[in-house]
Amino acid sequence: DTAVSQTPKYLVTQMGNDKSIKCEQNLGHDTMYWYKQDSKKFLKIMFSYNNKELIINETVPNRFSPKSPDKAHLNLHINSLELGDSAVYFCASSQDTRGAAGTQYFGPGTRLLVL
Amino acid sequence: GNSVTQMEGPVTLSEEAFLTINCTYTATGYPSLFWYVQYPGEGLQLLLKATKADDKGSNKGFEATYRKETTSFHLEKGSVQVSDSAVYFCALTNFNKFYFGSGTKLNVKP
Repeated sequence: DTAVSQTPKYLVTQMGNDKSIKCEQNLGHDTMYWYKQDSKKFLKIMFSYNNKELIINETVPNRFSPKSPDKAHLNLHINSLELGDSAVYFCASSQDTRGAAGTQYFGPGTRLLVL
Repeated sequence: GNSVTQMEGPVTLSEEAFLTINCTYTATGYPSLFWYVQYPGEGLQLLLKATKADDKGSNKGFEATYRKETTSFHLEKGSVQVSDSAVYFCALTNFNKFYFGSGTKLNVKP
C-alpha cells in the first residue's frame, strides 16, 4: 500500500527514443508534481497538476509532456531523449487547502539513463 | 521572490556529534517551512515542518525553529547516528508552490 508509486524504477534507453514514466498516488490528494534531480542532488520542479489541470509549467523543453488522466495519476512522456535528460525523476503529491500547498509526499524515483 | 539557501556540504561528523545544518529563506507573505531527508537510493521524506513564526518542528531527535526575524530554519540534532547519513533539504511553500534548497549531504562516521 505504497502512498506514491512510480514505474519503472530504472530506465536505460538510447538517445532519440520516446519513453514514459507513470505515477500513481493513493492518498486522495488533489495536486501532483514532477521533479527532476540532477547528479548533484539539485531538485527542480517541472510540472504541477491540480485536479487534472496544469497549474505549474516551469521552463522545460516541450519534449516533456505530462498527462493526468485522473487526479490519482500523473504520467510523464519524454520525446526524442537526449543525454542531458539523464537524471532521477520524482513524482510527488500534496493536499492543498485554500490555495496553499500542503506537505509533499514523494515517490521512490525513476532513474533514467540515456546512452 | 521566494528562495531557500542552505549550507553546502558535505558535512562529515563522528557518531554522537552535534549537528547543525543552516537554512535561510526569502519569501513574501507567510510561508510554511520544511525539512526533508533523502536516504541513499530513495525518494524524499518529510522530516519535520513548521507553519508559523516561532513554531518548532521536531521528529526523530531533529529540531528546527521557524525564526521570522532572521528568516532562518536551521536543523539541529544533539547526537547523530550513522543511520542519519543522508541528504537533507530545506524547503518552503508559499501559495501553491514549493521551493527547495540545494540539499546538504551528511556523512556520519562510526
